[in-house]
Amino acid sequence: GENVEQHPSTLSVQEGDSAVIKCTYSDSASNYFPWYKQELGKGPQLIIDIRSNVGEKKDQRIAVTLNKTAKHFSLHITETQPEDSAVYFCAADSGNTPLVFGKGTRLSVIA
Amino acid sequence: NAGVTQTPKFRILKIGQSMTLQCTQDMNHNYMYWYRQDPGMGLKLIYYSVGAGITDKGEVPNGYNVSRSTTEDFPLRLELAAPSQTSVYFCASSYSGGRETQYFGPGTRLLVL
Repeated sequence: GENVEQHPSTLSVQEGDSAVIKCTYSDSASNYFPWYKQELGKGPQLIIDIRSNVGEKKDQRIAVTLNKTAKHFSLHITETQPEDSAVYFCAADSGNTPLVFGKGTRLSVIA
Repeated sequence: NAGVTQTPKFRILKIGQSMTLQCTQDMNHNYMYWYRQDPGMGLKLIYYSVGAGITDKGEVPNGYNVSRSTTEDFPLRLELAAPSQTSVYFCASSYSGGRETQYFGPGTRLLVL
């Protein structure tokens, strides 16, 4: 089955700097890669996703890149703000089974 | 729409007790899921359902049971609670399968002592 590895597990950045979180997946049939943000005491919420027919997608300060050959995808947050502090999860879906999530990255943005 | 609601928010159980975690969604979603999240860890799928009357095991189903008698409700039953079941439990729903956004509830924090 699918296996998703996520790095780093924790990340601290200064406000205004960029943050990058990386994920790898094992199933070459996977073709949908969402990212979820979990704020303290709340359930995860989708922030951006990418499908295998594109290599990059942007939404304001957030971007996701996908390299299907290398089976890895990344989340990029630019101009980080304190409200970006949260746990971020990547996930992958091959269409045969439910989403498989990574273990999460705790991002701290230091003002 | 209230989205996905879960009750209770917090519960303390003694070893060997049983309880049901409630989950309801009002978005007419076909798919529903139960996850557990241990401290500092990711989300592990316990059970999921693709529609009323249909359930399937996820990664960590042992010690749990589910039922899906209606589209809206997907309760999770814990029989004979064990300390290893101390966790935060999230219910989620989506209109269809994996490529659709999953909407999560606020979670139930369970402590088994």
